[in-house]
Amino acid sequence: NAGVTQTPKFRILKIGQSMTLQCTQDMNHNYMYWYRQDPGMGLKLIYYSVGAGITDKGEVPNGYNVSRSTTEDFPLRLELAAPSQTSVYFCASSYPPGGTQYFGPGTRLTVL
Amino acid sequence: DAKTTQPNSMESNEEEPVHLPCNHSTISGTDYIHWYRQLPSQGPEYVIHGLTSNVNNRMASLAIAEDRKSSTLILHRATLRDAAVYYCILSDSIQGAQKLVFGQGTRLTINP
Repeated sequence: NAGVTQTPKFRILKIGQSMTLQCTQDMNHNYMYWYRQDPGMGLKLIYYSVGAGITDKGEVPNGYNVSRSTTEDFPLRLELAAPSQTSVYFCASSYPPGGTQYFGPGTRLTVL
Repeated sequence: DAKTTQPNSMESNEEEPVHLPCNHSTISGTDYIHWYRQLPSQGPEYVIHGLTSNVNNRMASLAIAEDRKSSTLILHRATLRDAAVYYCILSDSIQGAQKLVFGQGTRLTINP
């Protein structure tokens, strides 16, 4: 049971490039979340999903897109990378409504 | 979103108890109080949560004030591995998902 896995661990992008951050969980959790964490700050919710095919915006969704075609996977897409998107991105999952969230190890993204 | 207030930093000694305070004066009747912690270079991990009554688990205890406007996370015997940023969070459910709102947390330093 690997829990929540994220790839890649690190990535450097140039302004205007696009990329997809991958997130996979093997706990059969319905709920999945994407957060970003800027240096010295707490996490902010980008998008979340309550099940396959259902996603919704969090606090800071601009510049990002998500999809949820399976229970296991919840990729986060950056279409036109900007320096303001330099951050550490965490994916999380939980089972029942209000249940404990399990976080992945994070992806450190730098946009230059 | 309901807000929490925590001290920016605290320091304690190894093998001593640690009491981490959190104020949440605008808590609503249905809000749960969650505590997560984040070790250096890792994703957050769940510590404990509660609604009205004090709670205990293998990691910590949560003491909730009778009026629910404050709470205290208690680490009974701190170890060096407990050095982390501790976040006190009030739940904010949307469609059953827990939209956690992270503040800046309390950075706990443990002295050997």
